[in-house]
Amino acid sequence: GQNIDQPTEMTATEGAIVQINCTYQTSGFNGLFWYQQHAGEAPTFLSYNVLDGLEEKGRFSSFLSRSKGYSYLLLKELQMKDSASYLCAVVRSNSGNTPLVFGKGTRLSVIA
Amino acid sequence: EAGVTQSPTHLIKTRGQQVTLRCSPISGHTSVYWYQQALGLGLQFLLWYDEGEERNRGNFPPRFSGRQFPNYSSELNVNALELEDSALYLCASSGLGLDTQYFGPGTRLTVL
Repeated sequence: GQNIDQPTEMTATEGAIVQINCTYQTSGFNGLFWYQQHAGEAPTFLSYNVLDGLEEKGRFSSFLSRSKGYSYLLLKELQMKDSASYLCAVVRSNSGNTPLVFGKGTRLSVIA
Repeated sequence: EAGVTQSPTHLIKTRGQQVTLRCSPISGHTSVYWYQQALGLGLQFLLWYDEGEERNRGNFPPRFSGRQFPNYSSELNVNALELEDSALYLCASSGLGLDTQYFGPGTRLTVL
């Protein structure tokens, strides 16, 4: 089966750093996406990891460990506009485009 | 460049009715994916179309169907609506190979 786990909710302070974890157990793996979704809006692409290690992109970084079935999204210098849901999604197959399997998302609240 | 577009934005139907949702992918993208995002459940994969063909289908009953047109736009049809079909329906598109999926703004369907 497919199982992707993320914390349901997190709260962090403006200017701080927050780490959102994602663990997965899927039949086949060919990469992991992180998306940001503000309430009532479409998910927007943040990052894609297929190899182990850390990918840094401005204030956002994403880490992957394939052997542990684990990823995290790191948000630095938090801003109020970062309040959103963060979705972890796994690409199951290595045979071209395949549907993403999503976790339920982590709702992040940034407070002053 | 225009992103993924969906119509309508909101829709209210009653049980037993039928609904058609529409999606236009990003120019140059040939794959279209449909997801259902019900409250508290995360994104659930519905259907994947590529080059006019249905490539994969999620764990949904046959009353969920769709098609892709020669211009790569797509329709999602839901027959015999049930209350639990109330959700945000998201369409995403991607290009060739293992490519990032970009989401449209979604259609909010309410079934009364």
